Amino acid sequence: DSGVTQTPKHLITATGQRVTLRCSPRSGDLSVYWYQQSLDQGLQFLIQYYNGEERAKGNILERFSAQQFPDLHSELNLSSLELGDSALYFCASSPRTGNTEAFFGQGTRLTVV
Amino acid sequence: GENVEQHPSTLSVQEGDSAVIKCTYSDSASNYFPWYKQELGKRPQLIIDIRSNVGEKKDQRIAVTLNKTAKHFSLHITETQPEDSAVYFCAASLQGGANNLFFGTGTRLTVIP
Repeated sequence: DSGVTQTPKHLITATGQRVTLRCSPRSGDLSVYWYQQSLDQGLQFLIQYYNGEERAKGNILERFSAQQFPDLHSELNLSSLELGDSALYFCASSPRTGNTEAFFGQGTRLTVV
Repeated sequence: GENVEQHPSTLSVQEGDSAVIKCTYSDSASNYFPWYKQELGKRPQLIIDIRSNVGEKKDQRIAVTLNKTAKHFSLHITETQPEDSAVYFCAASLQGGANNLFFGTGTRLTVIP
């Protein structure tokens, strides 16, 4: 167990809908990262938050957004869902940013039908 | 941006043999190179990492080598065991840490008993 908790584990929703994925980092970790893993795109970095502020942005679509709350948990919001958004979404956390190992959660499997 | 290529995509070895997975990266500014192991339906787990100021690192049966000049790094697993069967991902980071990791496309390793 990495100490990073993601909910829900599975999510099935229809196209056009909006969902929220939740991540609780390891105790004491200030950085949270979101990654998307799909069959055709592999593991892709979406966005990083550090102590409540956006720190780095990767291949995140405009339909997606994230935030990190004062208690350091993070949420990834996916809207206007398309079939191609079906993927495993991983959250990872690390104590700080830079030169640190990231610990991945178990992921949320999103299926858009 | 950074581009990480990984080969081979699949690898089968007999138990007890060695396995080698190779990755190349494009951006000479990358300075952190982790390797993750992912079992089916589970989270990526860091197995070893190397930073750009080191040429080789070993942890029991696992070793990683880095050639900064050629911009490639490799994972070596010796005395393979069936439980080593998984998908292995290499990654590179431009920012010296775990944020904004660029992943390779993965290698499915099968260790045949």
